[in-house]
Amino acid sequence: AQKVTQAQTEISVVEKEDVTLDCVYETRDTTYYLFWYKQPPSGELVFLIRRNSFDEQNEISGRYSWNFQKSTSSFNFTITASQVVDSAVYFCALSEAFTGGGNKLTFGTGTQLKVEL
Amino acid sequence: DAGVIQSPRHEVTEMGQEVTLRCKPISGHNSLFWYRQTMMRGLELLIYFNNNVPIDDSGMPEDRFSAKMPNASFSTLKIQPSEPRDSAVYFCASSPQGLSTDTQYFGPGTRLTVL
Repeated sequence: AQKVTQAQTEISVVEKEDVTLDCVYETRDTTYYLFWYKQPPSGELVFLIRRNSFDEQNEISGRYSWNFQKSTSSFNFTITASQVVDSAVYFCALSEAFTGGGNKLTFGTGTQLKVEL
Repeated sequence: DAGVIQSPRHEVTEMGQEVTLRCKPISGHNSLFWYRQTMMRGLELLIYFNNNVPIDDSGMPEDRFSAKMPNASFSTLKIQPSEPRDSAVYFCASSPQGLSTDTQYFGPGTRLTVL
């Protein structure tokens, strides 16, 4: 069975600090997809990034960057120069194919990030 | 373009009452998912539809829960009778083609409170 572990339950930082959210996954699939979602205090789930298992290049989008390392089964997320608006719960998820088509997401338990002034 | 639309956003009901949650997926998306989020169990998939057909309902807790997708633009999740332990946030999500490569896009959720 697939599993996603986000060991950090809560992280508090001061604005402008860099912060890394850890994600470790387990799967027997050779092809899989990893995702990060953001859940701000308003409650919605916002898609941030999708990465497939064949692409280990790091990705940067503004202040966000992602480090995928297949050797350690990790897909970590770094926010550079954090801001108060980054305060949210961040979920890492792993995609598993359904027999009948489509995919099922297995979510980690989430990391609550608090950015303070 | 409109995202996934869910209604109501908040629902408060009494134990034993029937509750119906509604979802309109993103236009053109072929797959629809219902998730439940609780503090104890996190985010868990309840049921998945592809082209309006239920593909996997193994996450549906018990017979009190049922879901339908009568057409490509509408789905309901019904709880009858509701119980206090059903209190949670229920999310609907949709994805374009029902492929394993797809990204799922989530609605704003319905916060259900059963008294």
